[in-house]
Amino acid sequence: AQSVTQPDIHITVSEGASLELRCNYSYGATPYLFWYVQSPGQGLQLLLKYFSGDTLVQGIKGFEAEFKRSQSSFNLRKPSVHWSDAAEYFCAVGPPPYNTNAGKSTFGDGTTLTVKP
Amino acid sequence: NAGVTQTPKFQVLKTGQSMTLQCAQDMNHNSMYWYRQDPGMGLRLIYYSASEGTTDKGEVPNGYNVSRLNKREFSLRLESAAPSQTSVYFCATYRGDTQYFGPGTRLTVL
Repeated sequence: AQSVTQPDIHITVSEGASLELRCNYSYGATPYLFWYVQSPGQGLQLLLKYFSGDTLVQGIKGFEAEFKRSQSSFNLRKPSVHWSDAAEYFCAVGPPPYNTNAGKSTFGDGTTLTVKP
Repeated sequence: NAGVTQTPKFQVLKTGQSMTLQCAQDMNHNSMYWYRQDPGMGLRLIYYSASEGTTDKGEVPNGYNVSRLNKREFSLRLESAAPSQTSVYFCATYRGDTQYFGPGTRLTVL
């Protein structure tokens, strides 16, 4: 079975500070990993995704994530946070694109990011 | 090109009432999904449809039914709503390696 753990329910950082959101996954084979962002009252927007290749993935809005197979982690980072980054962030894991179950992702419970001025 | 659309945006029901949540996509994608999102939790898969004419249960299917009317539309029906079904419901499609989400329907069951 696939699962995702986001250990931090809520994180507060000052504007301009660096950010790291943690994500640990469990998946029996090669995982397909995602980070999404959700602003209040909105749907989910894909920040970045990883399946293979370079383990450091660049996404939109200046975010990046690093896949570490040995630690079953896929942590999201941003060097300098902006007030507009305040939102809820979800990590997800799913079957790879060529799998017949592709698209059936499992989501973590989310991390709420608050940005202090 | 609207992507994934959902109606209604908001709905309040009384316990025992029925309703259908509508989802439509104009991207010609085969796979469609219904998720629910509860406070403090991520999205959980209710039902999905790999292609027109097929549907299958996800993680939390109890109390719901679905219809894949055609390639564009995938509806979610609550036959007898319960307060435990108060949630935000998201429809999604999938193609290639990316999932596309609708804006959500916020449902309250009193």
